[in-house]
Amino acid sequence: QKEVEQDPGPLSVPEGAIVSLNCTYSNSAFQYFMWYRQYSRKGPELLMYTYSSGNKEDGRFTAQVDKSSKYISLFIRDSQPSDSATYLCAMRGMRFGAGTRLTVKP
Amino acid sequence: GAGVSQSPSNKVTEKGKDVELRCDPISGHTALYWYRQRLGQGLEFLIYFQGNSAPDKSGLPSDRFSAERTGESVSTLTIQRTQQEDSAVYLCASSQLPSSYNEQFFGPGTRLTVL
Repeated sequence: QKEVEQDPGPLSVPEGAIVSLNCTYSNSAFQYFMWYRQYSRKGPELLMYTYSSGNKEDGRFTAQVDKSSKYISLFIRDSQPSDSATYLCAMRGMRFGAGTRLTVKP
Repeated sequence: GAGVSQSPSNKVTEKGKDVELRCDPISGHTALYWYRQRLGQGLEFLIYFQGNSAPDKSGLPSDRFSAERTGESVSTLTIQRTQQEDSAVYLCASSQLPSSYNEQFFGPGTRLTVL
């Protein structure tokens, strides 16, 4: 079993939709949870991070952690075509999910 | 300031040849990481350098892969006797602090194609 599991998609939604991206993990010692965004042919960039359980909001983006279920989520509200990218969850710095490729259609 | 740079941006080589990939981290960043990303896949951790400590090589897939770092500057990833399955984008990242949360700044990657 991989330490971090993420559905690679692809996921296609219409502009304005709410997007939900998810990861599960196996190591209960993980405390920091990150989401990176990677545009085509670019390196990933940190989008958000959370510590332990709970929610964190930044504009249209909300990161959610449920440590009891070992499940993390990233929600994107009012999705825009510019949100089209691959979203990778990451834990403990070097453990990345497979990435979910998102396309937001105008 | 300048971000992480990698060279070459693209490399095409023949099976069995050796290749060297270079990474210039952000100045002052003590931690440096190498990852491999196959087409449509996530990031596969390869190796991690932190200051003068022994590197974490736990992600290197075989003894054909090796990496060096000079102090807290340039790093070189070497792949010997390349195989077709080595074809991928090799990403380098650096960070300021080696903590559990440490924002990694990625370079644009080197796209390696082994014919």
